Amino acid sequence: GDSVTQTEGQVALSEEDFLTIHCNYSASGYPALFWYVQYPGEGPQFLFRASRDKEKGSSRGFEATYNKEATSFHLQKASVQESDSAVYYCALTGTGSNRLTFGKGTKFSLIP
Amino acid sequence: GPKVLQIPSHQIIDMGQMVTLNCDPVSNHLYFYWYKQILGQQMEFLVNFYNGKVMEKSKLFKDQFSVERPDGSYFTLKIQPTALEDSAVYFCASSLGVGNYAEQFFGPGTRLTVL
Repeated sequence: GDSVTQTEGQVALSEEDFLTIHCNYSASGYPALFWYVQYPGEGPQFLFRASRDKEKGSSRGFEATYNKEATSFHLQKASVQESDSAVYYCALTGTGSNRLTFGKGTKFSLIP
Repeated sequence: GPKVLQIPSHQIIDMGQMVTLNCDPVSNHLYFYWYKQILGQQMEFLVNFYNGKVMEKSKLFKDQFSVERPDGSYFTLKIQPTALEDSAVYFCASSLGVGNYAEQFFGPGTRLTVL
């Protein structure tokens, strides 16, 4: 079945550092790839998606590029702020399906 | 932005009892979903629902589970009877469209504890 792997369980950085959260997937066909963000006490919020090879998704300073060859969709942000502290989920929907398959999530926090 | 509401936020029940989790989806959305997240584990799809019917379900959607949305009111997940392994946070989601491009909007979750 489809699966999503997020390498980092937790990431801690200083303000204005560069953030990368790694996401690799396994799915047949051409899945759509998503990033969701979850703040405490809330459900996941859609950040952005990409649906074809080499497409870049972006929102709120975050971006990721669909890489079919590497089966990756790594999240990046150039300069992190306190307000970016949250749990980030990589997810996919497979061809012909509406179900989201999520990674385990990566908790990002700012080093005080 | 559009909001999905879930009622209650917490529910504690004894094993074997019935429980109904309620979801108030975004008003013009047509597709509805339930996901389950056990503490420390990833969120997993249970079921999606459209036009009064289950469209897709996972193996986690046991026979004890049922969903409905009578007359456009709450979208509900009923578990009867409950088991200890049903303890989790249940997230409802809704989307306007279908297909793997449709953005799903999530509620804040209902934390279910089965004793």
